[in-house]
Amino acid sequence: QKEVEQDPGPLSVPEGAIVSLNCTYSNSAFQYFMWYRQYSRKGPELLMYTYSSGNKEDGRFTAQVDKSSKYISLFIRDSQPSDSATYLCASMDSNYQLIWGAGTKLIIKP
Amino acid sequence: NAGVTQTPKFQVLKTGQSMTLQCAQDMNHEYMSWYRQDPGMGLRLIHYSVGAGITDQGEVPNGYNVSRSTTEDFPLRLLSAAPSQTSVYFCASSPLRTRGSYGYTFGSGTRLTVV
Repeated sequence: QKEVEQDPGPLSVPEGAIVSLNCTYSNSAFQYFMWYRQYSRKGPELLMYTYSSGNKEDGRFTAQVDKSSKYISLFIRDSQPSDSATYLCASMDSNYQLIWGAGTKLIIKP
Repeated sequence: NAGVTQTPKFQVLKTGQSMTLQCAQDMNHEYMSWYRQDPGMGLRLIHYSVGAGITDQGEVPNGYNVSRSTTEDFPLRLLSAAPSQTSVYFCASSPLRTRGSYGYTFGSGTRLTVV
């Protein structure tokens, strides 16, 4: 079992929909959680990070961590075609190394 | 523009050949790392460095060597290329004090095919 699990998709939704992307993790020692966005043929770029449990909002994006269920979520409101990308979740272990999910491909249809 | 620069962007190698993937950053980041990305596998750490002269192995180090003679540069060497090393390679960096807890800066990748 991988330490961070993520459904690879693809997830296809119409423009304007609310998108929910999710990951689960197995190591209760993880404290930092990140979401990266990766456009085709580009490197990943940091979208949001959170420390421990709770919500964090940045514009149309909300990151949520539930440590009791070891669940990481990213919500995108009013989705746009420009949001079409692969979204990678990651958690940091005690050795400061990031453990990555496999990524979910998101397609926003105009 | 400031950031992480990787060269080349594309490369085709024959089995058994060697080559070096270049990575340079101009943000004075102490921490640098190399990942490979394969379909369905996510990003896997190959090697990393916390400063000049210091390197360590990641999850999948076999077949790769690294060195860090300066803060700016962190080249990745393939000693004898194998088809299993066909992948997209990313270099990433961050300040050591945050160790990536606030995010890494990634290069745009090198797409390597070994035939």
